[in-house]
Amino acid sequence: KAGVTQTPRYLIKTRGQQVTLSCSPISGHRSVSWYQQTPGQGLQFLFEYFSETQRNKGNFPGRFSGRQFSNSRSEMNVSTLELGDSALYLCASSLGQTMNTEAFFGQGTRLTVV
Amino acid sequence: DQQVKQNSPSLSVQEGRISILNCDYTNSMFDYFLWYKKYPAEGPTFLISISSIKDKNEDGRFTVFLNKSAKHLSLHIVPSQPGDSAVYFCAASAVRGAQKLVFGQGTRLTINP
Repeated sequence: KAGVTQTPRYLIKTRGQQVTLSCSPISGHRSVSWYQQTPGQGLQFLFEYFSETQRNKGNFPGRFSGRQFSNSRSEMNVSTLELGDSALYLCASSLGQTMNTEAFFGQGTRLTVV
Repeated sequence: DQQVKQNSPSLSVQEGRISILNCDYTNSMFDYFLWYKKYPAEGPTFLISISSIKDKNEDGRFTVFLNKSAKHLSLHIVPSQPGDSAVYFCAASAVRGAQKLVFGQGTRLTINP
């Protein structure tokens, strides 16, 4: 069974640009969550999508957005990039049923903003 | 406001001995807890979880204990192996059926031969 796949693995962007990251969840998983990891703030929740709807949202500015497609694949977009957006962006998938289930993470996308 | 805290940034343990990693939380609404292991430049790997209706869960060398009154959980690894050297994160969730994990800052575990 394939794991969570994130593309690209590495990305370098210039301040002010926008970026789109992609995540393919484990087959059969309907929930996709996004997290940002930085040395100063640790792992922080961005948002979660379930059945193409945003189900939960963290405390990030509106420049961070996402969406989920009918095949459960998800994309995350960051507009007007700032230097502080440099981070490892992680995607996690889970079954997303009513009982809590484990979230499985992808390898992450390392975004560097210069 | 850090709702999940791992107060030990690092821990060093002899191979074959027990490793005990600790985690405290402040939000009494948390009802599901997980431990993840992470290597640099990789995503976290799920290790073990526990629901708030239990106080212990075991999986091979890994056991998680939950003390709800103290708002404290711990991960025991017995016996510790060199491959266990990594950063360990505890995470908590307060939203049933949804994935909104709050992570601790992590503890770097080093297993010495």
